[in-house]
Amino acid sequence: SQKIEQNSEALNIQEGKTATLTCNYTNYSPAYLQWYRQDPGRGPVFLLLIRENEKEKRKERLKVTFDTTLKQSLFHITASQPADSATYLCALDNQGGKLIFGQGTELSVKP
Amino acid sequence: DVKVTQSSRYLVKRTGEKVFLECVQDMDHENMFWYRQDPGLGLRLIYFSYDVKMKEKGDIPEGYSVSREKKERFSLILESASTNQTSMYLCASSRPTGLAQPQHFGDGTRLSIL
Repeated sequence: SQKIEQNSEALNIQEGKTATLTCNYTNYSPAYLQWYRQDPGRGPVFLLLIRENEKEKRKERLKVTFDTTLKQSLFHITASQPADSATYLCALDNQGGKLIFGQGTELSVKP
Repeated sequence: DVKVTQSSRYLVKRTGEKVFLECVQDMDHENMFWYRQDPGLGLRLIYFSYDVKMKEKGDIPEGYSVSREKKERFSLILESASTNQTSMYLCASSRPTGLAQPQHFGDGTRLSIL
């Protein structure tokens, strides 16, 4: 069956460092992958989309990579700030317009 | 800015009640979705709709139904609420998926069934 896995443990890093979050998938060939941010008590907010023919996408301090051979996406936040603390979700298209979401990784950036 | 509004942030209902959760979007989006989010299980799709009066089952439709009479409004109905339906419910909308569009979420309704 299709499966998406994100870092199950919370990620704690120091302010100014680069945070790297992982999204692995199996039994699946998505055409694109999305990353969302979710703050406590709020709905997810879209951050970035990367297509299967794109290796890397950047937006300000965010960078996403997509390796269809490894079946993995990495999400990087450079020069992290306490305001980046949140849960980050990856999501893959399941054809027909549906997304399958990972469970999310909680990131905590300490000052 | 895109806005998806869910009618209630918190809701408490009793077992056996019929429960309505409402969602309205102001972006003229074709697609609308209902998810539930539970700790350790992530977001799971209940139903989605790609047009007025159209609906399709998601991964966990049992115990739920939906209604989409107008393009901007998508309602989730718990026919006879049960305690295992206590959860955070999230509504989302998007443009047609052939364009690989992001989904825009409301802030959720935290529903407790007693």
